[in-house]
Amino acid sequence: DAGVTQSPTHLIKTRGQQVTLRCSPKSGHDTVSWYQQALGQGPQFIFQYYEEEERQRGNFPDRFSGHQFPNYSSELNVNALLLGDSALYLCASTGWGIGNTIYFGEGSWLTVV
Amino acid sequence: QQQVKQSPQSLIVQKGGIPIINCAYENTAFDYFPWYQQFPGKGPALLIAIRPDVSEKKEGRFTISFNKSAKQFSLHIMDSQPGDSATYFCAASQQGGSNYKLTFGKGTLLTVNP
Repeated sequence: DAGVTQSPTHLIKTRGQQVTLRCSPKSGHDTVSWYQQALGQGPQFIFQYYEEEERQRGNFPDRFSGHQFPNYSSELNVNALLLGDSALYLCASTGWGIGNTIYFGEGSWLTVV
Repeated sequence: QQQVKQSPQSLIVQKGGIPIINCAYENTAFDYFPWYQQFPGKGPALLIAIRPDVSEKKEGRFTISFNKSAKQFSLHIMDSQPGDSATYFCAASQQGGSNYKLTFGKGTLLTVNP
């Protein structure tokens, strides 16, 4: 049973560019969340998707957007990249309902130069 | 505003010791408190979790103690091993209403010396 899978593993972008990160949730999970983890910090919640809709959003600007597909996979898009966007981007999945464990993927390392 | 405060920032113990990591939260609506273990270059892995209706939960060498009135919870690692050296994060969420947003502490870097 595959866990949460993310791609790409590492990428380098130039300031001002746009990036798309991808996530496939754990089998049986229908809810996907994205987190940003800066070096030496705890993960920060970006947003959560369920039934292809953004259900919750953390304190991140509109440059951060997402999408969930009918097969529950998800994309995180970041526009107009800033140096400060350099971080590990984590995808987490769970099943919709109360009491379900949240699993994380290995993350995508984004470096903005 | 940091809603989950974690301490200490770093911790060094000898093999066999019992490191204790503490967390305090502010939001009384939180009802799910997991601990995650993260190795360098990897994503966080769920270690153990507790809900506020119990005061203690044990899984293998890992134990969570929960004090609802003090709004504090802690992780104890029994018979710690060098392989336990990692960063540990406490987190909290309000899962009622299908809210899965996790609020994390800043992490504790644990080093277990042989």
